[in-house]
Amino acid sequence: DSGVTQTPKHLITATGQRVTLRCSPRSGDLSVYWYQQSLDQGLQFLIQYYNGEERAKGNILERFSAQQFPDLHSELNLSSLELGDSALYFCASSISPTGGDQSNYGYTFGSGTRLTVV
Amino acid sequence: AQKVTQAQTEISVVEKEDVTLDCVYETRDTTYYLFWYKQPPSGELVFLIRRNSFDEQNEISGRYSWNFQKSTSSFNFTITASQVVDSAVYFCALSEAHTGNQFYFGTGTSLTVIP
Repeated sequence: DSGVTQTPKHLITATGQRVTLRCSPRSGDLSVYWYQQSLDQGLQFLIQYYNGEERAKGNILERFSAQQFPDLHSELNLSSLELGDSALYFCASSISPTGGDQSNYGYTFGSGTRLTVV
Repeated sequence: AQKVTQAQTEISVVEKEDVTLDCVYETRDTTYYLFWYKQPPSGELVFLIRRNSFDEQNEISGRYSWNFQKSTSSFNFTITASQVVDSAVYFCALSEAHTGNQFYFGTGTSLTVIP
């Protein structure tokens, strides 16, 4: 168990629908990152939150949004789903907002949510 | 431009053979971090190693070893005496200090170890 919890593990939904993926970071970690792993795009960074605030944005579609709550868990909302959104969505957490303090601290990924859009 | 290149898409080796997975990266930052992750068929990403840009010491952990060479912008991963359990997709990743903790992943190398 990595300490990063993602729910649900699997999700099957229809095109046009909206889903919410949830991530609980490792205890003490303030940053949460979302990544998408699809067959055609590989592993791509979507967005980062640090202590409730958006910190960095990657290749996240406008149909997608995220937030981090006061208890530091994060949710990734995917709307108007298309077949191409089928992917494995990973959440990761770390203690800091930037890479500057990383002595021996590793980044921890959750086990992912596999989304299938049919 | 791709920041991390893993040119080997698929590799097959016979058990007990040694295998090296190549990783070439591109960055203008002087401070950066390099990682290797393993993704077994179950799908999770398993952290293997992190190196920072100021530490070019090679590292060995059991059957795993890593060769970091800034002169060639490479961070190669060698598995000695491969085992069937090593079969997985291996990802190399780069994190740059100026962009925070965002990871740039390579496309992965799928390793199959044949018994």
